[in-house]
Amino acid sequence: NAGVTQTPKFRVLKTGQSMTLLCAQDMNHEYMYWYRQDPGMGLRLIHYSVGEGTTAKGEVPDGYNVSRLKKQNFLLGLESAAPSQTSVYFCASSSPGTSKNNEQFFGPGTRLTVL
Amino acid sequence: AQRVTQPEKLLSVFKGAPVELKCNYSYSGSPELFWYVQYSRQRLQLLLRHISRESIKGFTADLNKGETSFHLKKPFAQEEDSAMYYCALFNDYKLSFGAGTTVTVRA
Repeated sequence: NAGVTQTPKFRVLKTGQSMTLLCAQDMNHEYMYWYRQDPGMGLRLIHYSVGEGTTAKGEVPDGYNVSRLKKQNFLLGLESAAPSQTSVYFCASSSPGTSKNNEQFFGPGTRLTVL
Repeated sequence: AQRVTQPEKLLSVFKGAPVELKCNYSYSGSPELFWYVQYSRQRLQLLLRHISRESIKGFTADLNKGETSFHLKKPFAQEEDSAMYYCALFNDYKLSFGAGTTVTVRA
């Protein structure tokens, strides 16, 4: 099993450009999450999904959109990138009601720089 | 709203010395708490959770509801313990993370 994978690993954007980050998991997990990691601020939740076709806002959702059309994929979109969105983005997934209840499994991260 | 505080951004200890990472939380219900670790160039991974009451890689963490704390401890630090550590609280499908503590273990 690959676990949680993210593409791309690195990306540099210019202000105003758009892009989509892809997260995929092969563990049949119901829940998926997008976080951003910034120095001194820990991980902050952007959006999350508790099932295929559902999404919800997290702590810092502004400037981002998400979609969960398939259970195994969770896409994070930036419609008009801003320098404040320079960060490392992590995807995670989890499955409630199992022996790993509420444990989140993380992807390797995407380092995004917005110039 | 729940909140997780890790007061130390950086912690430096010598190999073989004890290490303690502080975590305090604010939450109105019965908390479910975790410690995650991120080694250099690796993804975040679960270290331990309070409901398991287990010791992983020599680390333990005890939930103290009176002091609303979940400090992480290891009696003898090793160089491979150098990493970023995050305390997290689970509620309503989501994890709330502290700001993290970077631990450096010196030889």
